[in-house]
Amino acid sequence: AQSVSQHNHHVILSEAASLELGCNYSYGGTVNLFWYVQYPGQHLQLLLKYFSGDPLVKGIKGFEAEFIKSKFSFNLRKPSVQWSDTAEYFCAANSLGGGADGLTFGKGTHLIIQP
Amino acid sequence: ETGVTQSPTHLIKTRGQQVTLRCSSQSGHNTVSWYQQALGQGPQFIFQYYREEENGRGNFPPRFSGLQFPNYSSELNVNALELDDSALYLCASSSQGLNEQFFGPGTRLTVL
Repeated sequence: AQSVSQHNHHVILSEAASLELGCNYSYGGTVNLFWYVQYPGQHLQLLLKYFSGDPLVKGIKGFEAEFIKSKFSFNLRKPSVQWSDTAEYFCAANSLGGGADGLTFGKGTHLIIQP
Repeated sequence: ETGVTQSPTHLIKTRGQQVTLRCSSQSGHNTVSWYQQALGQGPQFIFQYYREEENGRGNFPPRFSGLQFPNYSSELNVNALELDDSALYLCASSSQGLNEQFFGPGTRLTVL
């Protein structure tokens, strides 16, 4: 069965700390991978996506993620977090080609940045 | 913000009732997907509509049904509501061939 797992459900960091949120997927075949962010009171927004090519992808707001096929991982990173990064972060996947295949989401990581 | 809108924002129903949620897709998008997000969980895929037909479905019972209209807007209908149906219902629009979904703000459904 297709699944996405996120290792950390709650993460608390101080401003300027480095961030890495883990994501592993279990999918038959080739996958598309995404990270979404949900700021308090706002809708889900796409941070970055990986379809093919360079396994290191850069997204908005200084975030990046690395696709490691051998580890079935797509970890999210940011070198220096800000208070405004406090949010819920979701890793998601679907099959290459997308089509009728909806996104499978992880359970999310609640990130709190302390000033 | 995306151009995806949902109504109503909040809704309270009682067990056994039926509910209809609505979604307007972003301009230029012809595909609508619906997700259920329970408290503390990630969104779960309910189904997807393209050209007014359901063309993909997650692990949800038949009492979850939908429609898509010629203008690509969509409805999610849930019959015989159960307490566990309480959740945030998200609509996402996309274009076939462009594998990126844009989410609306959601409808918070509470079943008492």
